[in-house]
Amino acid sequence: EAEVAQSPRYKITEKSQAVAFWCDPISGHATLYWYRQILGQGPELLVQFQDESVVDDSQLPKDRFSAERLKGVDSTLKIQPAELGDSAMYLCASSMRSSYNEQFFGPGTRLTVL
Amino acid sequence: KQEVTQIPAALSVPEGENLVLNCSFTDSAIYNLQWFRQDPGKGLTSLLLIQSSQREQTSGRLNASLDKSSGRSTLYIAASQPGDSATYLCAVTNSGGSNYKLTFGKGTLLTVNP
Repeated sequence: EAEVAQSPRYKITEKSQAVAFWCDPISGHATLYWYRQILGQGPELLVQFQDESVVDDSQLPKDRFSAERLKGVDSTLKIQPAELGDSAMYLCASSMRSSYNEQFFGPGTRLTVL
Repeated sequence: KQEVTQIPAALSVPEGENLVLNCSFTDSAIYNLQWFRQDPGKGLTSLLLIQSSQREQTSGRLNASLDKSSGRSTLYIAASQPGDSATYLCAVTNSGGSNYKLTFGKGTLLTVNP
């Protein structure tokens, strides 16, 4: 069964360091999403790609976060420098280009900033 | 701005009991509604997706209903089992022009006691 892949699964870093997360969506899915989930909350959208283009990054803290999907397939989310408040689960999801927009999620990356 | 509320925040039941989880949303102009399951420290697993034109969806012991006009959905779990213990998240899709946006509730933490 096709799945969304993410790595690493866990990341511990010190504040002011740089971190990067990787996501490989389900093959053929044109839309890719990065979410941040703080403990006890629902996921919140950080950035959405349609193929290689950003269609929504209104909630992305652009002073420290960046995201790219250069070839319209896999994607990287970067934080530089990391802050204590960035500790959270970072989830990637993908969906086909359709009005149904069912999203399929990866296992997530748990980030801890010390 | 769409807001999604889930009640109760936590629920503990004995094994075998039937139960209902509630979800409400403020903007009834939705495309669809999804129910997800999230195990501790894991990603999200899609359980059911209801299109805005549908009233309910069923999968095994799960039944989700949608009343779009009143902004409500329920997830009914029959004959609960300890393996059903998880956080259940409700999410709705709205359209922001050409962009579909998924808004999550904070979830209901379900514990099924053997």
